[in-house]
Amino acid sequence: SQTIHQWPATLVQPVGSPLSLECTVEGTSNPNLYWYRQAAGRGLQLLFYSVGIGQISSEVPQNLSASRPQDRQFILSSKKLLLSDSGFYLCAWSDRVGEKLFFGSGTQLSVL
Amino acid sequence: AQSVSQHNHHVILSEAASLELGCNYSYGGTVNLFWYVQYPGQHLQLLLKYFSGDPLVKGIKGFEAEFIKSKFSFNLRKPSVQWSDTAEYFCAVIGVTGGFKTIFGAGTRLFVKA
Repeated sequence: SQTIHQWPATLVQPVGSPLSLECTVEGTSNPNLYWYRQAAGRGLQLLFYSVGIGQISSEVPQNLSASRPQDRQFILSSKKLLLSDSGFYLCAWSDRVGEKLFFGSGTQLSVL
Repeated sequence: AQSVSQHNHHVILSEAASLELGCNYSYGGTVNLFWYVQYPGQHLQLLLKYFSGDPLVKGIKGFEAEFIKSKFSFNLRKPSVQWSDTAEYFCAVIGVTGGFKTIFGAGTRLFVKA
């Protein structure tokens, strides 16, 4: 069966420090991969999605970037975190376009 | 651009009350529609989905939703809620010709009083 792993679960980082959040999917191949940020009262904001290795689409211009070095690995990064980057980040995958999403457990990021 | 609007941010009900959560979307073409639920301390998970066919779809735990194309709506209903339905509910849309993006509403927090 398919599983999605996302880590770390919580992270506290100082302003200006780098960020790397990792997400891996097991049990499937060539998944569509997504990074969302969840904010209270604002739902889930799509940040990045990828339909294949090295293919990244950015939805919101910001201080973050994403990479997909392997088929089932999706990384969210920043060179210098801002206070406004604090939030709850969710990784998700789907096996076909238009299909349902499977979510990871999320990372609560606090930038201080 | 696609957008999803959920009418209520917070809903408080007593057990056995009926539930209806509103969802409207903005998209000119064919859509796939979803309701996701996040129970306290758990992952987001699919509640139900509509792709085509019967506009009244049934999901897990007695939930159902009706797609009304003319109103661009996909409201979620349950005849009699339980305390265990306390959760946050998200409506989501994929424009079938709009690429690979699932767009979510802001969510509705439901609290059911025992």
